[in-house]
Amino acid sequence: QQQVKQSPQSLIVQKGGISIINCAYENTAFDYFPWYQQFPGKGPALLIAIRPDVSEKKEGRFTISFNKSAKQFSLHIMDSQPGDSATYFCAASRAGRRALTFGSGTRLQVQP
Amino acid sequence: NAGVTQTPKFQVLKTGQSMTLQCAQDMNHNSMYWYRQDPGMGLRLIYYSASEGTTDKGEVPNGYNVSRLNKREFSLRLESAAPSQTSVYFCASSEGQYNSPLHFGNGTRLTVT
Repeated sequence: QQQVKQSPQSLIVQKGGISIINCAYENTAFDYFPWYQQFPGKGPALLIAIRPDVSEKKEGRFTISFNKSAKQFSLHIMDSQPGDSATYFCAASRAGRRALTFGSGTRLQVQP
Repeated sequence: NAGVTQTPKFQVLKTGQSMTLQCAQDMNHNSMYWYRQDPGMGLRLIYYSASEGTTDKGEVPNGYNVSRLNKREFSLRLESAAPSQTSVYFCASSEGQYNSPLHFGNGTRLTVT
């Protein structure tokens, strides 16, 4: 049973456009929602994270939007650049559990 | 500062062979993890160690064993490799709180024929 569902599987965006990746979760006990970015041949690295007490968090061109009632959260990349081309993973965890549950990943290609 | 170091980077095994994947971190982190990454499946937790001296099963532990050798090192052993264990394996570490960032190594690409 996949506890965190991520879509789309792949995404192609033109340079300067907005990239949007969505995730939905089932476990209402989750209370920490990070996004990880992975470049080819590298391990994932934390990009941005949110707690459910806020509806939005922005860091530079990256924004997480969070909808607690719908149990959904999304990553928005504004002014997408070719250097943003990578695989993005959403994840979730809860207090008392040390391990993250990851989504299936989205491969983003930003075309010049 | 090396972060999380995994060895080897690549490995090819025949079905039934055994091997140990090594992982070491130099960030003085308490917790360490082993994940496997498969296309369309994301990252799935195999085992983790919340602190030195403890290990716990994750989502997909069958066919694997782990050893937390000391605070720095956490190894993953395949006793009898199977083609279903063909994957990219990632080791990660964190300070140990549930919302602490995971720091990943660059992975070991394992092929079992």
